[in-house]
Amino acid sequence: EVQLVESGGGLVQPGGSLRLSCSASRFTFSNYAIHWVRQAPGKGLEFVSAISSNGGSTYYADSVKGRFTISRDNSKNTLYLEMSSLRPEDTAVYYCVKGPFSIAARYFDYWGQGTLVTVSS
Amino acid sequence: EIVLTQSPGTLSLSPGERATLSCRASQSVSSSYLAWYQHKPGQAPRLLIYGASSRATGIPDRFSGSGSGTDFTLTISRLEPEDFAVYFCQQYATSPTWTFGQGTKVGIK
Repeated sequence: EVQLVESGGGLVQPGGSLRLSCSASRFTFSNYAIHWVRQAPGKGLEFVSAISSNGGSTYYADSVKGRFTISRDNSKNTLYLEMSSLRPEDTAVYYCVKGPFSIAARYFDYWGQGTLVTVSS
Repeated sequence: EIVLTQSPGTLSLSPGERATLSCRASQSVSSSYLAWYQHKPGQAPRLLIYGASSRATGIPDRFSGSGSGTDFTLTISRLEPEDFAVYFCQQYATSPTWTFGQGTKVGIK
């Protein structure tokens, strides 16, 4: 079955930076759009960012625009999220999520287990 | 932004009972672009339903989705022990600005 494994989470101070990775396997990574979705403690899910299969199109939630950058390396089957100028409200579990198409649209058919990012001094 | 409101927040039921979960949208969700997911603690969320009523691959037929416009329902016909989890809905009519409901927890009575 499809596997998505996130890594790179941890504790970071406000204003700091962090890079999340998502390693994909058991499917043709380069054919599908991939997304980041987060869930803050006690809150609902929130779309963060998405990237099309070839990396040509990227999307960001207003809350992270200008601070986060999504990218992918199809040769390594890996998705990245570079996070900078982190704020306490960015504290959340970050999920790597696969879409069913090459473009970032529609529902999400597979999710990773998530990685926790904590922004605190 | 389409706001999704799920009710009830918590549902306490026994195995074998029927569960009915609601997801109401603040405006019409075009083309019934609504999905349902199951989430158990420490596990990856799992897609159950897309297009309001289409079951995802491998999902048992005790799970069914219905509705259109602003009112959607997820029904679990007979709860199995493994079905106790949090369920959340998602609209993708306005992708890439997807939104999610806050979730309904189905707990054991």
